[in-house]
Amino acid sequence: QKEVEQDPGPLSVPEGAIVSLNCTYSNSAFQYFMWYRQYSRKGPELLMYTYSSGNKEDGRFTAQVDKSSKYISLFIRDSQPSDSATYLCAMSAPGGSARQLTFGSGTQLTVLP
Amino acid sequence: GAVVSQHPSWVICKSGTSVKIECRSLDFQATTMFWYRQFPKQSLMLMATSNEGSKATYEQGVEKDKFLINHASLTLSTLTVTSAHPEDSSFYICSARGLAGGNEQFFGPGTRLTVL
Repeated sequence: QKEVEQDPGPLSVPEGAIVSLNCTYSNSAFQYFMWYRQYSRKGPELLMYTYSSGNKEDGRFTAQVDKSSKYISLFIRDSQPSDSATYLCAMSAPGGSARQLTFGSGTQLTVLP
Repeated sequence: GAVVSQHPSWVICKSGTSVKIECRSLDFQATTMFWYRQFPKQSLMLMATSNEGSKATYEQGVEKDKFLINHASLTLSTLTVTSAHPEDSSFYICSARGLAGGNEQFFGPGTRLTVL
């Protein structure tokens, strides 16, 4: 079993839809949770960074962390064609080498105009 | 803020030659930089972790003599692919983590290497 599981998709939605992206994990030591967006042939761009459980909102993006269920989500409201990309969840534990990121496999999202 | 650059963005070389890729943190000092490799439609694979002024720590299965990493300053790390072969063709991405001690990593735009 992988430490981080993410549905690879592909996921296609119409413009304006609410998108829900999810990851589950098995390592209870993870405390830091990130979502990255990666366009084709580009490096990942940090979208959201969350510590421990709770919600964080930034514009059209909302990140949720439920540590009791070992489940994290990224919601995109009013999705736009420019949101079409691969979304990677990533997480890490505090301290030393544990601060390395463990990535999900990425979900490929297409927002249709 | 938190901008990481890579150079070159793409490179084509002949088999047997060496290629150097630079990774720079432009607006912050990076105590730790990471080098990843990514194949098409796959996630990032960590190759090595480098801390400024010390030897890099390589992940299992990554040949340290083939992928030379130097982290000479708080803003620059280099990856040299020595005696490159076609199977080394890939997308190489670096990331940097700042002095503040947070766990975020900021990624460069990547370097596409094609070995003929």
